[in-house]
Parts: sequence; structure tokens; C-alpha cells
Amino acid sequence: EAGVTQFPSHSVIEKGQTVTLRCDPISGHDNLYWYRRVMGKEIKFLLHFVKESKQDESGMPNNRFLAERTGGTYSTLKVQPAELEDSGVYFCASSPGGFTGPLNNEQFFGPGTRLTVL
Amino acid sequence: GESVGLHLPTLSVQEGDNSIINCAYSNSASDYFIWYKQESGKGPQFIIDIRSNMDKRQGQRVTVLLNKTVKHLSLQIAATQPGDSAVYFCAETSNTGNQFYFGTGTSLTVIP
Repeated sequence: EAGVTQFPSHSVIEKGQTVTLRCDPISGHDNLYWYRRVMGKEIKFLLHFVKESKQDESGMPNNRFLAERTGGTYSTLKVQPAELEDSGVYFCASSPGGFTGPLNNEQFFGPGTRLTVL
Repeated sequence: GESVGLHLPTLSVQEGDNSIINCAYSNSASDYFIWYKQESGKGPQFIIDIRSNMDKRQGQRVTVLLNKTVKHLSLQIAATQPGDSAVYFCAETSNTGNQFYFGTGTSLTVIP
């Protein structure tokens, strides 16, 4: 079974440009999470989808970030316009459905997208 | 301006020795904890978990200890091997939460 995949693996853009990150969760997983790790700091939660619905987007930094999960399958995270402080590694994770909380519900992480904003 | 990132805590151990990685958490309501291992170029990978009604759980070569009194979590790796070199994160969540809160990570280097 394929794991969580993310595309691209690396992205280098200039400040002010737009970037779209994609995450394909494990097939059948209802829960999809986006996380970000900035410059060696802790991994921080961005948002959580249950199928196509945003369950919790309290971690989204600002309105320059837009996440979608049309059809409840893959998800995209768009940053527009990108700023220098957006640089970091963006992780996507998925877990099976059945309930909305992560308790006893292992999250499977993708390899991440390393975003560099110059 | 440019932000300065925190330096990761680091731990260097000799191959074959035991490793202990520590983590302090802040939320008393957290009742489920996971240790993740992240190798270079890969995403975090689940190692072991523990619920708050336990104070110790053992896996293959790994043991997690939970001290709720002082809100401390530790990961013990027995007979550390070069393949154990990675960054280790602890993550916490509560039964009513939807998200995990991660620590800053500890970089483990195993010296052959």
C-alpha cells in the first residue's frame, strides 16, 4: 500500500510568488492534516480535514494560506503571496476515519515539501 | 528580517549503548503521547505511543516512560544502532483535541 505522498519535494520561489503544495493521503483515510516545521523549530499544526470538510484550521498562520480538499481525496495548500517567513518544511499526514480526534489514531506522515522563499 | 531558529538539542551515543531522549510537555489535559522518528529527507515515523493511564510501555528495543506529575516523557532506546540516528519528536494530544502538539525534537547521532 502506498504511503502519504507530497509534491513537490522541494520548491524555491521568490517573495511575492504563489506556490501550491499537494498531498495525496493513504487511500481511504478520511483525516488529513497539514503541519509545518520552520527552521529547526517544532512541527506545528496548520489544519485538519475530515473528508472534504475543514475540521480545525486554527493553526493557519494568516489568510495568505489556503487549503482545499475537493472530493475528500488529495489536498492542496496554496501560499499566495509567499513571504520569507513561510520557508520551512510542510508535512502532510493522514489517518483512518471513524472519529475526528487523533486519540489512538496514528497519523502517517508524508516526506514533506521543503519550501524556500527568497 | 531573518529569523533565527532554535538549535536542536543533540545527543551523541556510542553504538551499542542505551539512549535516553527526554521531552517536557505543558498541557495537563494531554492524555495521549507519541514518539516520532524523522530521518533525513523523510517525514516523521511513528515509533511508540502511550496513554496517560500508563506510566511505561515497551516496544522492540524502545521504552517510553510517562511521568504525569512533572509532565515528562522519555524515550529509551536499547543497544543503539547507527540506523537509529535521526531527529526524535514527542507529540501530545488530548482526547478532545484534533491536533498533535510537537516538541522541538532531539537530534540523535550514533557513533560507530
